[in-house]
Amino acid sequence: GAVVSQHPSWVICKSGTSVKIECRSLDFQATTMFWYRQFPKQSLMLMATSNEGSKATYEQGVEKDKFLINHASLTLSTLTVTSAHPEDSSFYICSAPPGGGLYNEQFFGPGTRLTVL
Amino acid sequence: QKEVEQDPGPLSVPEGAIVSLNCTYSNSAFQYFMWYRQYSRKGPELLMYTYSSGNKEDGRFTAQVDKSSKYISLFIRDSQPSDSATYLCAMSEEGSQGNLIFGKGTKLSVKP
Repeated sequence: GAVVSQHPSWVICKSGTSVKIECRSLDFQATTMFWYRQFPKQSLMLMATSNEGSKATYEQGVEKDKFLINHASLTLSTLTVTSAHPEDSSFYICSAPPGGGLYNEQFFGPGTRLTVL
Repeated sequence: QKEVEQDPGPLSVPEGAIVSLNCTYSNSAFQYFMWYRQYSRKGPELLMYTYSSGNKEDGRFTAQVDKSSKYISLFIRDSQPSDSATYLCAMSEEGSQGNLIFGKGTKLSVKP
């Protein structure tokens, strides 16, 4: 099956610093990747859609200047949390549909747990 | 009213039991229905994928979609301790380009 990896798996940082999270599709190309956020005991919430070679599309209420997304290649998307604050602490998960496949059949990465002190 | 409702549980069953997990939804435009399994501190794993109404079976897992009632189910037969996880339902509209709407997840524990 399709494999999506994320790095790092967890990160702890001080308030005000920036954190970059990588999402890679290992055995397929992904022109589109999705970034989700999951708070404890809550649903996964879509933050943004990352498109290779073009700007990301952000969901309502998500600050594009705070959550910078770069889809540099067909196998890599990065999410940078700028000037992180404790309320940004969450589980960030990316997903990707296999290249040319149905967008709904998404494969998820293992997630990155961000803790901002 | 949230778009997708799912009882968070926890649900505890003995090994070998049949497990029934359910979600209800309000958006009649949903056409794609998925079930994901998520282990603690891990990303969701796609279990079942169904388009429109009907049943789909894969090994010990059966997914049912009843669009008239806006109700979907996942049945697990002969449940195993390794099935212990949180099960998330997800749905999307035709042409939504991947915008999945998730339930909160039901935490399942299968006791040996």
